[in-house]
Amino acid sequence: GAGVSQSPRYKVAKRGQDVALRCDPISGHVSLFWYQQALGQGPEFLTYFQNEAQLDKSGLPSDRFFAERPEGSVSTLKIQRTQQEDSAVYLCASSPLTVARPQHFGDGTRLSIL
Amino acid sequence: AQTVTQSQPEMSVQEAETVTLSCTYDTSESDYYLFWYKQPPSRQMILVIRQEAYKQQNATENRFSVNFQKAAKSFSLKISDSQLGDAAMYFCAFADSGGGADGLTFGKGTHLIIQP
Repeated sequence: GAGVSQSPRYKVAKRGQDVALRCDPISGHVSLFWYQQALGQGPEFLTYFQNEAQLDKSGLPSDRFFAERPEGSVSTLKIQRTQQEDSAVYLCASSPLTVARPQHFGDGTRLSIL
Repeated sequence: AQTVTQSQPEMSVQEAETVTLSCTYDTSESDYYLFWYKQPPSRQMILVIRQEAYKQQNATENRFSVNFQKAAKSFSLKISDSQLGDAAMYFCAFADSGGGADGLTFGKGTHLIIQP
């Protein structure tokens, strides 16, 4: 596709449920990033993939957060046993592996935990 | 760890006038990249302009230009001839020069309002 695609655009879940958020990066982009953006804040880094390898997961807030990119393309961010503080917009970005990389962002998934 | 500070939660400007958004950052790196992203209500982060720290010349993209002061660790964005479509959240972001493995560090953003 022409840009980074994320789905669903909105997700409402009850506290304690598991959710899965999908990111389809720009074709050919080897780098993929997930960010969490709380209301009124800037995005915060969660995790980074280079192809299928998760090279940095230092930003994941707890072990309830899990991300994968098994074939080096589509990525899924999974949140287990959701809590209210998980409510946020989750942004995915991809970039080609160049030094002067800009990151191209998707529209994000707005997650609301009731 | 790097930090990015945007001290203006909100700015307002008349259409067709010029506005400057402030950004300061803190890093011990000597080589890095700085970006301004625009986020309209649609939520997509759109790259406005970027600056490589090793370049002394300020980046320019049409009506958008930056004032990069490396010693002062300042990176302001100037928008000339403001248009209604410029209304959005603007985020300043930092990335070090590592080989693609680093997430961006963002400021908290400035909400830009364009008065018609």
